[in-house]
Amino acid sequence: ETGVTQSPTHLIKTRGQQVTLRCSSQSGHNTVSWYQQALGQGPQFIFQYYREEENGRGNFPPRFSGLQFPNYSSELNVNALELDDSALYLCASSLDRGTEQYFGPGTRLTVT
Amino acid sequence: GESVGLHLPTLSVQEGDNSIINCAYSNSASDYFIWYKQESGKGPQFIIDIRSNMDKRQGQRVTVLLNKTVKHLSLQIAATQPGDSAVYFCAENGRDNFNKFYFGSGTKLNVKP
Repeated sequence: ETGVTQSPTHLIKTRGQQVTLRCSSQSGHNTVSWYQQALGQGPQFIFQYYREEENGRGNFPPRFSGLQFPNYSSELNVNALELDDSALYLCASSLDRGTEQYFGPGTRLTVT
Repeated sequence: GESVGLHLPTLSVQEGDNSIINCAYSNSASDYFIWYKQESGKGPQFIIDIRSNMDKRQGQRVTVLLNKTVKHLSLQIAATQPGDSAVYFCAENGRDNFNKFYFGSGTKLNVKP
């Protein structure tokens, strides 16, 4: 196990609702990245947080937002959920920016 | 933007044989690559990484080869075991923003007993 935990494990939401996903990074890691993985595809980079600030963003709309806390845990918030947001959301922590990333088990989000 | 892709979507090998999984990338400026293994229902698991100043790196039963001339990356698994069955992804950390990792679509490895 990587020591990266995510909650909840599964979640079902209705289109238009908002969701918050949580991630606890591995001890000593100050960088957290979030990815979206659609079924049968590779993970797509959403954004990264380093020392509580956003430090890189992928091609996702502003309704995807995040936070990192002083203990380096992180949240991913998605507003105005759409059906295409249904995916596995992965959190990865790393010792520093640009170093190997260790993934959590993911949160499976289903939007109906 | 970067593009990372795989030649073979599915690879079947006999237990005990060696496996080779290939990956092509399009950004010649990429300087860091990682191979991940993902089992069903789990997050990707780090296997091995390599930086662009190296051509080869070995781990336990795994070897990664990097050919920058043709922008090709491969993962070799020696003496493949049933527990190696999974989807394998290569990820590229491009120089446009070294904090971003770009993943390919993955290769599914089936190990036949």
